Amino acid sequence: ELKVEQNPLFLSMQEGKNYTIYCNYSTTSDRLYWYRQDPGKSLESLFVLLSNGAVKQEGRLMASLDTKARLSTLHITAAVHDLSATYFCAVDMGMKTSYDKVIFGPGTSLSVIP
Amino acid sequence: SAVISQKPSRDICQRGTSLTIQCQVDSQVTMMFWYRQQPGQSLTLIATANQGSEATYESGFVIDKFPISRPNLTFSTLTVSNMSPEDSSIYLCSVEVGWNEQFFGPGTRLTVL
Repeated sequence: ELKVEQNPLFLSMQEGKNYTIYCNYSTTSDRLYWYRQDPGKSLESLFVLLSNGAVKQEGRLMASLDTKARLSTLHITAAVHDLSATYFCAVDMGMKTSYDKVIFGPGTSLSVIP
Repeated sequence: SAVISQKPSRDICQRGTSLTIQCQVDSQVTMMFWYRQQPGQSLTLIATANQGSEATYESGFVIDKFPISRPNLTFSTLTVSNMSPEDSSIYLCSVEVGWNEQFFGPGTRLTVL
């Protein structure tokens, strides 16, 4: 069974600082997703990473994927309060099932403090 | 992308009753998914619904408790049957667009008393 871990689970950071959230998964996969969830809201798709070495950036967020290490990172640059939310990585089990099945990590609750 | 709506957005129910949640998509999609998110937790896949066939349930979820319908390519329902307080969660439907991305509905917040 695929397991997805995130580190840290809780993150409090000051505005203007940089930080990285890590997502490890236990079996091979070449598709990984990052989502954002604001309190009481649904999930917003941030990034879709489809191959080893993929890097995508949007504003202050940059995501990367290393399929050999089974690791993805979400890097936050110069954090602002608006980035406060819970961030989930999710890994596609690919051909291991007859249908698309995505396993979610536990989430990283990010709080950016002025 | 896809625009997804869910009804109801929230409900408070008595134990032993059932609630049917509707999910409507603005375009035709092959796969629809139902997730549960318990308070403060991550998302857990309940089942995958493919139009014209029986839903595929994940370990720990059974059809008698969570019957699903998928009558066409834009609509699905999830019923939470014989509810108990442990069923209090947010229930989300999602769809896969193209090969690469899942989009989520706004969720249904269920409280069982």
